[in-house]
Amino acid sequence: ETGVTQTPRHLVMGMTNKKSLKCEQHLGHNAMYWYKQSAKKPLELMFVYSLEERVENNSVPSRFSPECPNSSHLFLHLHTLQPEDSALYLCASSQEGGPAWGYTFGSGTRLTVV
Amino acid sequence: ILNVEQSPQSLHVQEGDSTNFTCSFPSSNFYALHWYRWETAKSPEALFVMTLNGDEKKKGRISATLNTKEGYSYLYIKGSQPEDSATYLCAPLYNFNKFYFGSGTKLNVKP
Repeated sequence: ETGVTQTPRHLVMGMTNKKSLKCEQHLGHNAMYWYKQSAKKPLELMFVYSLEERVENNSVPSRFSPECPNSSHLFLHLHTLQPEDSALYLCASSQEGGPAWGYTFGSGTRLTVV
Repeated sequence: ILNVEQSPQSLHVQEGDSTNFTCSFPSSNFYALHWYRWETAKSPEALFVMTLNGDEKKKGRISATLNTKEGYSYLYIKGSQPEDSATYLCAPLYNFNKFYFGSGTKLNVKP
């Protein structure tokens, strides 16, 4: 375990469903991130939260809605997704303060939209 | 969107072989570079953080070099072992809180 926990590990949902992905970290980090990895593509940054405020929204469709209620928890709410949204969704956290910091990643949620 | 290129995309070597792969990135406004190791069904794990031109880092049999002027980094693995099989990602940092990831080099080490 890395200290960043994601649930569920696998999720299959229909296009009309509403579901949420959860990420939790107890590393004392003050920034949290959602990344998406589609097949044969690099990791794509979706959202960044710093000190519980969203500081980055990388042109992500509104059917993805993040929520950061506190510095330890991050959610990604999903609704009316498309089959092309099927991907691995990774959560990460970091302690800001300079180039020496890096990400601690969770194991990801493998999402399949049917 | 920044273009971060990693080559080769995949690599198959025999146990005991030494290998290396490349990460190329735009050198303008470069701030730092991270290398990550990502085993199947696990989380990406940070290997190295590099900031200065000419930096060399080493961790066991794995080492990395950085050239910030020309925008590239090399990762070397000496005497590859099956447990080194993973995807190796590089991620240069330019702006606050934003790493740009390459597609990775997938390494398979055969016993």
